[in-house]
Amino acid sequence: SQQGEEDPQALSIQEGENATMNCSYKTSINNLQWYRQNSGRGLVHLILIRSNEREKHSGRLRVTLDTSKKSSSLLITASRAADTASYFCATDGAQKLVFGQGTRLTINP
Amino acid sequence: EADIYQTPRYLVIGTGKKITLECSQTMGHDKMYWYQQDPGMELHLIHYSYGVNSTEKGDLSSESTVSRIRTEHFPLTLESARPSHTSQYLCASSDRQGWTDTQYFGPGTRLTVL
Repeated sequence: SQQGEEDPQALSIQEGENATMNCSYKTSINNLQWYRQNSGRGLVHLILIRSNEREKHSGRLRVTLDTSKKSSSLLITASRAADTASYFCATDGAQKLVFGQGTRLTINP
Repeated sequence: EADIYQTPRYLVIGTGKKITLECSQTMGHDKMYWYQQDPGMELHLIHYSYGVNSTEKGDLSSESTVSRIRTEHFPLTLESARPSHTSQYLCASSDRQGWTDTQYFGPGTRLTVL
């Protein structure tokens, strides 16, 4: 079974609102990464959080990691139409980078 | 934008044809990967390489083969394409040997086998 699972599978919000996506995983990890994929394109790395970190920021992105609950969340603040994409978490706990199914985020104008 | 390129971007071919999907990167990365992704689904690792003359199979069984004769080039070949091979193929690279490092992705090749 897959290592990372995102929740929700799809999220639709109004421009300017905040979007929160969650990722749960099963085994211990060294780090967790979040990637974005625009429709029909490859993935773009957004942020990496190490297992000894609890929170990390990058611009409008905020990632948290709770290793006791084996979960992470990605918050995008003040969303924009350009944020419309699929967002994937990726974990390394199984000696390889394993991606979840992703959360499809739609920002409505 | 990462300096990793894939050609063709779209390919529609008939059953039984031999095809090669090209992937090149100009970042000097040692490690390269091929993933298969169906629409709206997760990525599955099908091949990877630690460097020149190194190729390994990923966790999803694939009838494709790969080669790594040059650091910058990691082509994927299907000897006889079938409709079940219809999917998107993503190439990626990273600059360290570990699995934990950032991967840089190409734009993908969307393959349709009729």
